[in-house]
Amino acid sequence: GENVEQHPSTLSVQEGDSAVIKCTYSDSASNYFPWYKQELGKGPQLIIDIRSNVGEKKDQRIAVTLNKTAKHFSLHITETQPEDSAVYFCAASPHFGNEKLTFGTGTRLTIIP
Amino acid sequence: NAGVTQTPKFQVLKTGQSMTLQCAQDMNHEYMSWYRQDPGMGLRLIHYSVGAGITDQGEVPNGYNVSRSTTEDFPLRLLSAAPSQTSVYFCASSPSPRAVYEQYFGPGTRLTVT
Repeated sequence: GENVEQHPSTLSVQEGDSAVIKCTYSDSASNYFPWYKQELGKGPQLIIDIRSNVGEKKDQRIAVTLNKTAKHFSLHITETQPEDSAVYFCAASPHFGNEKLTFGTGTRLTIIP
Repeated sequence: NAGVTQTPKFQVLKTGQSMTLQCAQDMNHEYMSWYRQDPGMGLRLIHYSVGAGITDQGEVPNGYNVSRSTTEDFPLRLLSAAPSQTSVYFCASSPSPRAVYEQYFGPGTRLTVT
């Protein structure tokens, strides 16, 4: 089955700096890669996703890049703000959808004011 | 819309007890799923359903049962609780399993088995 590794497990950055979280996956059949943000006491919320036919996707201050050859994808957050502090999860699916998502182990991001 | 609702928010069980975690969505979503979240392990899929009357096992199904008699409800049953089932449980739904739609998560149920 699919295996998704996520690094780092914790990350602290100064407010205004950029944060990068990286994930690698094992199943070359995976085609859909979402990223979730989980705030304290809440369920994960989708923040951005990318399909295998796209190399990069941006949405305001967040972007995701995908390298299918190397089987890794990354989340980039620029101009970080205190409200970006949360746990972030990457995931991978063998379909263009949510069926049988395999999640990474999470990254706790702390923005230092 | 209330979205995805889960009850209870917190539960403490003794080893061997059984209980049902409730999950409901009011968005007419086809796909529903249950995950457990443990420290350092991310979310792991327990069971999922692609429509009423259809369920299938995920990554960690042992010790859990599900049913999907209606589109709205997807309860998770613990047959005989064990300390290893102490976890935070999340229910999620999306319009379709095989399309790129946002998966909506409920607020979670924190279960402790003593």
